[in-house]
Amino acid sequence: GENVEQHPSTLSVQEGDSAVIKCTYSDSASNYFPWYKQELGKGPQLIIDIRSNVGEKKDQRIAVTLNKTAKHFSLHITETQPEDSAVYFCAASMGGGTSYGKLTFGQGTILTVHP
Amino acid sequence: DSGVTQTPKHLITATGQRVTLRCSPRSGDLSVYWYQQSLDQGLQFLIQYYNGEERAKGNILERFSAQQFPDLHSELNLSSLELGDSALYFCASSVMGGTGELFFGEGSRLTVL
Repeated sequence: GENVEQHPSTLSVQEGDSAVIKCTYSDSASNYFPWYKQELGKGPQLIIDIRSNVGEKKDQRIAVTLNKTAKHFSLHITETQPEDSAVYFCAASMGGGTSYGKLTFGQGTILTVHP
Repeated sequence: DSGVTQTPKHLITATGQRVTLRCSPRSGDLSVYWYQQSLDQGLQFLIQYYNGEERAKGNILERFSAQQFPDLHSELNLSSLELGDSALYFCASSVMGGTGELFFGEGSRLTVL
């Protein structure tokens, strides 16, 4: 089955700096790559996603890049703010129909943004 | 608020017991997913239902079962509980044929003593 590796496990940055989280996946059939943010006591919430026919996607301060050949994708957060502090998860699935939701998650990255 | 409701929020029980976790999906969502989150295993997909039918299975133990009812709410049944079943159990829902986004509830924290 699919295996997703995520690095780093913890990341500490100063407010205003950029943060980058990287993931690799094993199954070349995976074609949907979402990123979820989980705050304390809450369920994960989608922040951005990308499909395999796209190399990069941006949404304000958040961007995701995908390299299908190398089977890795990354989350970039610019101009970090204290409210960005949370656990971030990458995931992969073989999307299509109802299959998008059968996600294989990475182990998570605890991001701390210091004021 | 994601619109997905899970009950109970916390549950403490003993080994060997059986519990039922309940999930109400967002209005109009036909797909329900169950995920388990633990420190050692991370977030793991357990099972998916779509409009009352099982659609996909992940690493769900035989001691665990789920169903989705005609009103689309779902229940996850965990039996013969072991210490290692202590975890956060999340339910998520999505729109069929939608963007792929899952909407997660706030989870049910199960502690097995």
